[in-house]
Amino acid sequence: DGGITQSPKYLFRKEGQNVTLSCEQNLNHDAMYWYRQDPGQGLRLIYYSQIVNDFQKGDIAEGYSVSREKKESFPLTVTSAQKNPTAFYLCASSMGLAGTVQETQYFGPGTRLLVL
Amino acid sequence: SQKIEQNSEALNIQEGKTATLTCNYTNYSPAYLQWYRQDPGRGPVFLLLIRENEKEKRKERLKVTFDTTLKQSLFHITASQPADSATYLCAPGGSYIPTFGRGTSLIVHP
Repeated sequence: DGGITQSPKYLFRKEGQNVTLSCEQNLNHDAMYWYRQDPGQGLRLIYYSQIVNDFQKGDIAEGYSVSREKKESFPLTVTSAQKNPTAFYLCASSMGLAGTVQETQYFGPGTRLLVL
Repeated sequence: SQKIEQNSEALNIQEGKTATLTCNYTNYSPAYLQWYRQDPGRGPVFLLLIRENEKEKRKERLKVTFDTTLKQSLFHITASQPADSATYLCAPGGSYIPTFGRGTSLIVHP
C-alpha cells in the first residue's frame, strides 16, 4: 500500500525535552511538509522540503527543526525552545512543488503532542 | 498579504439538501484551487482541483466552481448525507508556499 505514515500517534513531552516526530512516505514524492494545527484553527506551515538535503522555513519554524536525508523521510524535532508545543502535527507529501498543479498534498494520520 | 476566507460558522443542513461552502481569497491570483475534507483527529484528504480556465468541476455528488473575477470558489455537495459531515478546507494554489483556509464545518442532520 502506498501512503504516508506518522508515528507515534500520541507523544508526551516533558519540559525541557526535545522530541522527534516521524514521517515516512512511499509515494516517491519529492516534496514533504510539516503543519501544526491547534483546536479550531487552520493548518500552519512549519517547514517544507522540495528535494533531499534541502528544506525551507514556513510561517512558524521557531522552536522546530527538520532534516531530509532520504527522499522517504522527513522527521520533525520539537525542541525545548518551543514553549507551546501542544498541538496536532500533520505531515504531508506531494509529487511536485508548491505552486504547480502537482502540489496536491497527501497527509499522514497526524501525531498529537501533549506536554506533561 | 495573501488572505483566504472561509465561513468560520458551522453550516447545518438537513439530509438530502445541497450544501454550499464558500472560499474567498484576496491579494493574489491562484492558477488553481483545491478542496480537501478533514475529519476530526485525522489528516485532510484531497477532493477536487479546479484550474483558473475551468468554470466548474464535478465528481460524483461534488461540484466546484471557480470565479477568478469575484476571487471566489463555491463547493457544493448535492443530496447530502450525514457521512458528509466534516470540515472542508480550500487551498488556492500557485504560490510558492502552500496555503490553506481555516475550513468550514459542515453538519448534515438525518
